[in-house]
Amino acid sequence: EIVLTQSPATLSLSPGERATLSCRVSQSISYYLAWYQQKPGQAPRLLIYDTSSRATGIPARFSGSGSGTDFTLTISSLEPEDFAVYYCQQRANWPITFGPGTRVDIK
Amino acid sequence: QVHLVESGGGVVQPGRSLRLSCAASGFAFSNSAIHWVRQAPGKGLEWVAATSHGGSKEYYADSVKGRFTIARDDSKDTLYLQMISLRGEDTAVYYCARDVSTIPDHYYGMDVWGQGTTVTVSS
Repeated sequence: EIVLTQSPATLSLSPGERATLSCRVSQSISYYLAWYQQKPGQAPRLLIYDTSSRATGIPARFSGSGSGTDFTLTISSLEPEDFAVYYCQQRANWPITFGPGTRVDIK
Repeated sequence: QVHLVESGGGVVQPGRSLRLSCAASGFAFSNSAIHWVRQAPGKGLEWVAATSHGGSKEYYADSVKGRFTIARDDSKDTLYLQMISLRGEDTAVYYCARDVSTIPDHYYGMDVWGQGTTVTVSS
């Protein structure tokens, strides 16, 4: 099973700041990585798939990069609605696995 | 509008069975791969199972293999998760989610999610 590690566990930032979230993978997965946002009491929302493709309706301030084992989700300028938990997920091998999440909270 | 609505959750004793349903609307269900994902209280996301377009292929997490069965009825636009031999660690909110891929047996990410149904396994 492919293991995903996300860092930091918590990121405390202010609105308008840049957020950089990391996802490291236990083996190379090419570009087969997705990112999700989840707010309390809500279902997750797909932000990015295949490393850098934004899902429908996702603002341009969200971007993804990386390949192989190291991936990054960048939020260029945090909006108030961006404070949430973010998960990465690989689809290179079955079973699909998620990372443990990074919480982005308000500083 | 594209919707997924889960149902069938509840409180069940360890060792018992439960069947979850996921009703789809607003999109071509038969042309979509669908997943079940769960989230234990206060925990992260855990992928559970997936079915390909048309249901010809099924995939499972090791933690549920042999106990859970994913199935779909394309005539009813409905997905199911049959769960047997339930354990305390199966306690979670269960989400169904559509895969964004339109290519058969390709899975890119989950772009439409239901609101979830809660399963509690407790004596």
